[in-house]
Amino acid sequence: GAGVSQSPRYKVAKRGQDVALRCDPISGHVSLFWYQQALGQGPEFLTYFQNEAQLDKSGLPSDRFFAERPEGSVSTLKIQRTQQEDSAVYLCASSHGWTGFDNEQFFGPGTRLTVL
Amino acid sequence: ILNVEQSPQSLHVQEGDSTNFTCSFPSSNFYALHWYRWETAKSPEALFVMTLNGDEKKKGRISATLNTKEGYSYLYIKGSQPEDSATYLCALGGGKLIFGQGTELSVKP
Repeated sequence: GAGVSQSPRYKVAKRGQDVALRCDPISGHVSLFWYQQALGQGPEFLTYFQNEAQLDKSGLPSDRFFAERPEGSVSTLKIQRTQQEDSAVYLCASSHGWTGFDNEQFFGPGTRLTVL
Repeated sequence: ILNVEQSPQSLHVQEGDSTNFTCSFPSSNFYALHWYRWETAKSPEALFVMTLNGDEKKKGRISATLNTKEGYSYLYIKGSQPEDSATYLCALGGGKLIFGQGTELSVKP
């Protein structure tokens, strides 16, 4: 069965460009998470969706970051006017049910964003 | 702010060696502890979810223990193989996960 997929896998952007990162979760998964992993750090939470509702966006680092999941399946993370500090691996994860310890998160392979 | 610490940051072992690493976390408000293995260019793969103090879980040559009272979990790998080379991440939480910085394991043949 298909897992979580992300595209593109690698993205190089010039400072100031806008980028859009896509996540295709496992079909039927209710919950979707975005995480950011900077070099040498562990992944850090960005935002969480339950179906199409964005229930937590407390981790988004600035108003240049925007995420959506309009139909409750595919999600897009958009970064406007990229800065060098946005260079990171962006991970997407989905889980079957609501949040809970037994709702294992399945991760995609990530998108590595490099801002020059 | 919850802080999850992993040690060591990196580890180089020979094939056949057994190894272990640590995940430390605040013992208050514990919910669940997750271990993931993340190989380069692949997706992080869930190894264990641990919820009870004293939990001990095993998957092949890999096992993990949990002590919620003192705030730590150990991951053990018995007889390391080159294919075990990866970054091992622990994370706290039941929804939004709070990750440690990872332990990068390299196993030389």
